[in-house]
Amino acid sequence: QQQVRQSPQSLTVWEGETAILNCSYENSAFDYFPWYQQFPGEGPALLISILSVSNKKEDGRFTIFFNKREKKLSLHIADSQPGDSATYFCAARDNTGNYKYVFGAGTRLKVIA
Amino acid sequence: NAGVIQTPRHKVTGKGQEATLWCEPISGHSAVFWYRQTIVQGLEFLTYFRNQAPIDDSGMPKERFSAQMPNQSHSTLKIQSTQPQDSAVYLCASSSVGGQDTQYFGPGTRLLVL
Repeated sequence: QQQVRQSPQSLTVWEGETAILNCSYENSAFDYFPWYQQFPGEGPALLISILSVSNKKEDGRFTIFFNKREKKLSLHIADSQPGDSATYFCAARDNTGNYKYVFGAGTRLKVIA
Repeated sequence: NAGVIQTPRHKVTGKGQEATLWCEPISGHSAVFWYRQTIVQGLEFLTYFRNQAPIDDSGMPKERFSAQMPNQSHSTLKIQSTQPQDSAVYLCASSSVGGQDTQYFGPGTRLLVL
């Protein structure tokens, strides 16, 4: 059972456009959602994160929108740059005191100049 | 701050051999996590330690895989009698405990079993 789902699997946008990456989950106990960016040959790097008590988090060009009722969140990358081309993972952690993350399968983003 | 250090970065073993992967967490972090990444399965949780004690190993294959954290500065993941299906990138992450407990990942060890 996949607890965290991401869509689309891959996404291509033009430079300057806004890329929208989607994530949904099933476990109501999830309360913390980090997004990671991964380049080939490297480990995932934290990009931005949100707690379930918030519905929006911004950090520069990156914004998370969170809908707790629908168990959905999305990552918006404004003014996409070729350097943003990477795989993005949505992760979730529950509120039971277990600190492990559950990861989605990732969205591979390609930004064309 | 050097970040999470993993060694070796690449390892090639023959089927049936043993592989030991090393992880040095960020100084001061009390939790260490191991994940496995493959194209087919994605990022899978294996096990984690808090204050050197094993907390959750629910993702570890019950045979051939073991992990230890003998001191606060390193953890090891050992795979005995490696099989081709063990080929993957093994990622180590560390975090402080408390607050948002964000996990910081190392670069991974790419294991290839021939």
